[in-house]
Amino acid sequence: GESVGLHLPTLSVQEGDNSIINCAYSNSASDYFIWYKQESGKGPQFIIDIRSNMDKRQGQRVTVLLNKTVKHLSLQIAATQPGDSAVYFCAETHGGSQGNLIFGKGTKLSVKP
Amino acid sequence: EAGVAQSPRYKIIEKRQSVAFWCNPISGHATLYWYQQILGQGPKLLIQFQNNGVVDDSQLPKDRFSAERLKGVDSTLKIQPAKLEDSAVYLCASSLAVGGPVDTQYFGPGTRLTVL
Repeated sequence: GESVGLHLPTLSVQEGDNSIINCAYSNSASDYFIWYKQESGKGPQFIIDIRSNMDKRQGQRVTVLLNKTVKHLSLQIAATQPGDSAVYFCAETHGGSQGNLIFGKGTKLSVKP
Repeated sequence: EAGVAQSPRYKIIEKRQSVAFWCNPISGHATLYWYQQILGQGPKLLIQFQNNGVVDDSQLPKDRFSAERLKGVDSTLKIQPAKLEDSAVYLCASSLAVGGPVDTQYFGPGTRLTVL
């Protein structure tokens, strides 16, 4: 089976609220994690990444948290906007994989105006 | 900067027919990837090229799928003969360097294949 999965397949939030998308991984050798956003009819778009030697990384309106103890990754989106509506994938890889990303199934985020 | 280009965007074929997809990576990107994304799932790597050499094709169904990257730039992915279960979006991605774990991959819009 896949080594990366998501807890919730869908998430609906009100515009302006914060969103939290969760991801579990099972490969303890994974040392690099990425969040991608995929809008309908488009390819995945890089959002933010984090290495295993960090537990938090912030970008513009997004924060990724990594808990290696429980093999859990989350993406927080602040002040969610309608343009954030998309499917979000976490992906993982490790140093020996030559960039071979393992993607989870995705969470669909819907933002209500 | 132009992104990863793919064509066609959509293709409908009958089972046992052949189909080919084309990808033009971002200029200067050494590494090129082909992914298969079945509806409702995340992308799955099929093959990875570094320049014109294959780095990883362990998940490519070689009895029906083939890919090439002549001259280390454009790439084509072919399916012959197609099966119903090949219906998916085929994504091409490229990255600047040699495909290391922290080398950001940029994706094209994909080709949606429907096999009837």
